[in-house]
Amino acid sequence: AQRVTQPEKLLSVFKGAPVELKCNYSYSGSPELFWYVQYSRQRLQLLLRHISRESIKGFTADLNKGETSFHLKKPFAQEEDSAMYYCALGSQGAQKLVFGQGTRLTINP
Amino acid sequence: DTGVSQDPRHKITKRGQNVTFRCDPISEHNRLYWYRQTLGQGPEFLTYFQNEAQLEKSRLLSDRFSAERPKGSFSTLEIQRTEQGDSAMYLCASSIDRVATGELFFGEGSRLTVL
Repeated sequence: AQRVTQPEKLLSVFKGAPVELKCNYSYSGSPELFWYVQYSRQRLQLLLRHISRESIKGFTADLNKGETSFHLKKPFAQEEDSAMYYCALGSQGAQKLVFGQGTRLTINP
Repeated sequence: DTGVSQDPRHKITKRGQNVTFRCDPISEHNRLYWYRQTLGQGPEFLTYFQNEAQLEKSRLLSDRFSAERPKGSFSTLEIQRTEQGDSAMYLCASSIDRVATGELFFGEGSRLTVL
């Protein structure tokens, strides 16, 4: 079965500090991982996907198949990064995404 | 705005009543998804359409739930004989391609409160 675990429901860091949102997944095949974000009063939207290997808004995420993790990182947090972040898993050939419980990130000034 | 739209945005109903939600996807998207989200949880998959065909349903989708996408455009999600446990945000999303390469575009959701 596919499962996504985000161990931290809440994460609070100061502006300028590094931030890491953890995501672990359970899937026996070849996974496809995503991070979605929901800013206050906005709809859920894609932040980045592992196949793109790109940095979006300063965020990066590396798929570690050995540790079955896809942690989201940013070296210097900004106040506008405050949002709800969801890690999502799409199995190979699957037609849907399985989401984690989400982590609420708060950046303190 | 050509994004995914959902209607109504909020619905309050009494237990036992039927409710229907509508989703209008982005026009060129052939895939449409329904998710449910309760407080403190991530979105949970309910069902998925490719064009007018409903290709997958979650076990969460009891026989009181029915979804349609009659002409491969808008979709409706009906809940019959609502229960208090049905209270949740119902999210619709659409995509032009399979989830691996395509991006899911979400609507703002329809919040259901069952009294």
